[in-house]
Amino acid sequence: GENVEQHPSTLSVQEGDSAVIKCTYSDSASNYFPWYKQELGKGPQLIIDIRSNVGEKKDQRIAVTLNKTAKHFSLHITETQPEDSAVYFCAASSPFYNTDKLIFGTGTRLQVFP
Amino acid sequence: SAVISQKPSRDICQRGTSLTIQCQVDSQVTMMFWYRQQPGQSLTLIATANQGSEATYESGFVIDKFPISRPNLTFSTLTVSNMSPEDSSIYLCSVLPGGETQYFGPGTRLLVL
Repeated sequence: GENVEQHPSTLSVQEGDSAVIKCTYSDSASNYFPWYKQELGKGPQLIIDIRSNVGEKKDQRIAVTLNKTAKHFSLHITETQPEDSAVYFCAASSPFYNTDKLIFGTGTRLQVFP
Repeated sequence: SAVISQKPSRDICQRGTSLTIQCQVDSQVTMMFWYRQQPGQSLTLIATANQGSEATYESGFVIDKFPISRPNLTFSTLTVSNMSPEDSSIYLCSVLPGGETQYFGPGTRLLVL
């Protein structure tokens, strides 16, 4: 089945710097890739997603890039702020196994220091 | 999107007992999911709960341990049965209102002593 790897597991940056989190997936048929942010004591919140027919998507300070050939996708956060501190999860869904089933990466704990 | 609530938000239980977690969504949705998130870990799908049919469980999860009800299109329950300390986790429900995007509830934080 699908397997999603995520790196790094922890990331510390200074406020204003950029942060990049990378994920790789194993199933070339996967076609939907969401990113979730989970703050302490809360459920995961969708922050951005991308579909396989698009190479890049941007929403203000957040962007996601997808390389289908290499089977990896990345989250880019620019001008980081302390409120960006959270755990970020990538995920992938494969129409081959189940269009609605998400396979999650292991998570990245991002700390933004003022 | 969808607004999802869960009850209880947290609980401390004794081993051997059972806890039922409720998930309520503000709109009718066909597909609901239950996940487990062990401390410091990622999300693992327990089962898919569609209204009008039996829940579909993932490998490693069984109905006797995690019975699920889905009586209508806005509500579901997950019961954690005969609990042990290994069941201490965050339990999350999510919904798929349409398309591909899943929305998550705030979670139920369970500690089993």
